[in-house]
Amino acid sequence: LAKTTQPISMDSYEGQEVNITCSHNNIATNDYITWYQQFPSQGPRFIIQGYKTKVTNEVASLFIPADRKSSTLSLPRVSLSDTAVYYCLVGDLNSGGYQKVTFGTGTKLQVIP
Amino acid sequence: DAGITQSPRYKITETGRQVTLMCHQTWSHSYMFWYRQDLGHGLRLIYYSAAADITDKGEVPDGYVVSRSKTENFPLTLESATRSQTSVYFCASSENTRDTQYFGPGTRLTVL
Repeated sequence: LAKTTQPISMDSYEGQEVNITCSHNNIATNDYITWYQQFPSQGPRFIIQGYKTKVTNEVASLFIPADRKSSTLSLPRVSLSDTAVYYCLVGDLNSGGYQKVTFGTGTKLQVIP
Repeated sequence: DAGITQSPRYKITETGRQVTLMCHQTWSHSYMFWYRQDLGHGLRLIYYSAAADITDKGEVPDGYVVSRSKTENFPLTLESATRSQTSVYFCASSENTRDTQYFGPGTRLTVL
């Protein structure tokens, strides 16, 4: 079971780059790494997904080292609207069932004016 | 409207009563999921479904029953509600096993 560990909370000023790291020491060969964002009173929303190296989209970048035992979500120049909880997920439905993919408690990011 | 909807959005019930939470998606996604979210626990998977008539347990299935007779609907039933089932329940769907999950707005359930 690829359990994930993230910091409980982080603070950042507006305009700064924010990096949130997730540890997943027991990641399996077929596991993908996915990040979601959740605002209060809403369901989570997909941000980015990757398997190795670096992935970038219009919202964020995801850095995954060669050993894949951790990953870092990078949010460029955050704004107040980026204040949310960010979840790191590790798993692969094809390799044994979705019950092995868990959201964990996430990282609460507070962006300060 | 296209998307994923949940009903009711808020529900108050009493211990021992049966409660059914509804989830409907218009994308014809194969996979559907039920999560509960409690302070300090993040999101925990209750049940999921890979297709109509195919369901499987998640991390915390005890006390819940699901069915999926149609692709677009995935109701969650609490057969005899308990106070420990007070939570926010989220339904989600995805097209395939590795695809993005799209979440509904949630149902806030209170069991007195």
